[in-house]
This record gives sequence, C-alpha cells and structure tokens, in this order.
Amino acid sequence: RKEVEQDPGPFNVPEGATVAFNCTYSNSASQSFFWYRQDCRKEPKLLMSVYSSGNEDGRFTAQLNRASQYISLLIRDSKLSDSATYLCAVTPRWGKLQFGAGTQVVVTP
Amino acid sequence: AAGVIQSPRHLIKEKRETATLKCYPIPRHDTVYWYQQGPGQDPQFLISFYEKMQSDKGSIPDRFSAQQFSDYHSELNMSSLELGDSALYFCASSLGQGRGYSNQPQHFGDGTRLSIL
Repeated sequence: RKEVEQDPGPFNVPEGATVAFNCTYSNSASQSFFWYRQDCRKEPKLLMSVYSSGNEDGRFTAQLNRASQYISLLIRDSKLSDSATYLCAVTPRWGKLQFGAGTQVVVTP
Repeated sequence: AAGVIQSPRHLIKEKRETATLKCYPIPRHDTVYWYQQGPGQDPQFLISFYEKMQSDKGSIPDRFSAQQFSDYHSELNMSSLELGDSALYFCASSLGQGRGYSNQPQHFGDGTRLSIL
C-alpha cells in the first residue's frame, strides 16, 4: 500500500464547473504538504503549498485535515488549461517528497 | 526567474553503458533532490544533498552515484545501465532543509529523458 494515496480519476469536468479531490497519507509525522500539477511527460510544477489553516490561490483552494490525514484540492471555474494530472506530495522530516500516483482532471468544453 | 536547469534533455544509451546527468539548482538554493519517474508512475525519490553532503537516500540502485559540487550543481552518475533504467529523471532544488526549512517547496527542472536500447 502506498504511503500517499489518490483517486486516479479521470475527473471529467465541464468548463466553468467546480471539481474537488482528496489525497490521504499514512505517516502521521508528515510535516509539509503540497499540490503539484504535471502535464504529460513534463516536470511537476508547484501549484501550491498546503497550510494547516487552509489556503487559497485564485481559483484553487487547498485544505489539510491532520486528524484524518488527508489534504484536498478544489478548483473553481475550471478552465480547459486546468486539464492535467494533479500530484499530491508529502514530506517527512527531511524534505524528500513522497508523491501520490496523481489524479487526472479533464476539463471539457 | 531562473529555474532548475538539467542537461541533457534527452539521452539514448545502450545496455551496460554509463551516463551522467547534470543539474543546476535555482540560485541560492542549497539543497538538490533527484527523482526517477517511470512510464505511468509517480516520481520516486533517489537521493538528496544539502551543502554538498548527502542528506537522504531513497530507492537509488548501487549502480548509481551522485554528488553535489561547491557551486551547488549536482551530477547523477549511472553505470551498467539496464533496460529498466529508462525513465524521466528529475532534479529539484529548494532552500536548506538542514536549517529546518522542511516546509520549503521543491522546484523541478525539465528533466532528462533517458532511453536504454
């Protein structure tokens, strides 16, 4: 069982709609949490860090639930350009990232 | 803004050959990480360096070695290449984990696509 689990999707989302998905992690000592976006065969690009109080960056909102050990990402007013694989990443104490397998989002016209 | 630079972008090798991948971190970043991403897989951590010292080790084969130089660039040396080494190799950099900056995000380079024939 992977230490970081994600629903692989795909989530098919009409343009303009809202989509949300979660990521669960098994290591309760995990320190830091991130969402990355990866387009096909390209590098992971940092979307946002996830803070304990939750945080928002434009149309993107991230939440952290330490008690239940999951993080979430919500995308509002989806754009065609939001189509990508969204990777959840978790760090234990010393910085290496443990990734989930990714959630594929497909935004359709 | 300057990003992480990796070279080469593409590399084709035959079995049992050697390869060297290079990574130049974002200026002022002193920590470098290497990841391997196979087809349809998520990136897997290989090894990391902080201030030129190895700081953590993941699923890196014994055939691979890496180091970080005085200018903070890093090289991943791969020997006795196998077909299963075909993958995307990403380098990422961040600010000093050794100072406890464990919440500093890592920024990735474009990657090196390694193909073993």
